[in-house]
Amino acid sequence: GESVGLHLPTLSVQEGDNSIINCAYSNSASDYFIWYKQESGKGPQFIIDIRSNMDKRQGQRVTVLLNKTVKHLSLQIAATQPGDSAVYFCAENGSGNTGKLIFGQGTTLQVKP
Amino acid sequence: DGGITQSPKYLFRKEGQNVTLSCEQNLNHDAMYWYRQDPGQGLRLIYYSQIVNDFQKGDIAEGYSVSREKKESFPLTVTSAQKNPTAFYLCASSIRTNREAQTFGSGTRLTVV
Repeated sequence: GESVGLHLPTLSVQEGDNSIINCAYSNSASDYFIWYKQESGKGPQFIIDIRSNMDKRQGQRVTVLLNKTVKHLSLQIAATQPGDSAVYFCAENGSGNTGKLIFGQGTTLQVKP
Repeated sequence: DGGITQSPKYLFRKEGQNVTLSCEQNLNHDAMYWYRQDPGQGLRLIYYSQIVNDFQKGDIAEGYSVSREKKESFPLTVTSAQKNPTAFYLCASSIRTNREAQTFGSGTRLTVV
């Protein structure tokens, strides 16, 4: 079945280091991927997205990499700050044209001062 | 400012009662979604609507009902048939395609007492 999973449930990094959060997806028909950040008690917030015709996209301090060969997605956060502490979800659009997204379980990022 | 508003933020319900969660958006989005999130878990789709007066069941629709009488509004009713309703409920909206990100509200935390 369709699934989007994350390799690690919790990632702990030192403030100032770079963070890499990974995601595996199983639906080869997915052609659109999104990373969301969710702080405690709040709704998910859009970080960055990427379409399947790209393998890399950069934003402010964040980079998303897409490897379609192995169905792998990653989010890199440069110079991680305490405010980056949150749960990060990847999502894929799957097949069809319903607008539905398939979300992974999430990775908790803990930033140590 | 455009956005998506959920109310109330916290809701308490007695067992056996129905309760309705509000979701309003002024983003002019055609599609709207309801998700349920349990502690330490990802998002599970309850219902979604791509257009006014039409909606479809998601992965966990049992015990829930929705209506979509206006483009801006997509209320969710948690009925007494929902066996474990205590959860964090998130509403989202998007344009009517599966290649754009969903925008989320801030959530409603429902507790059954």
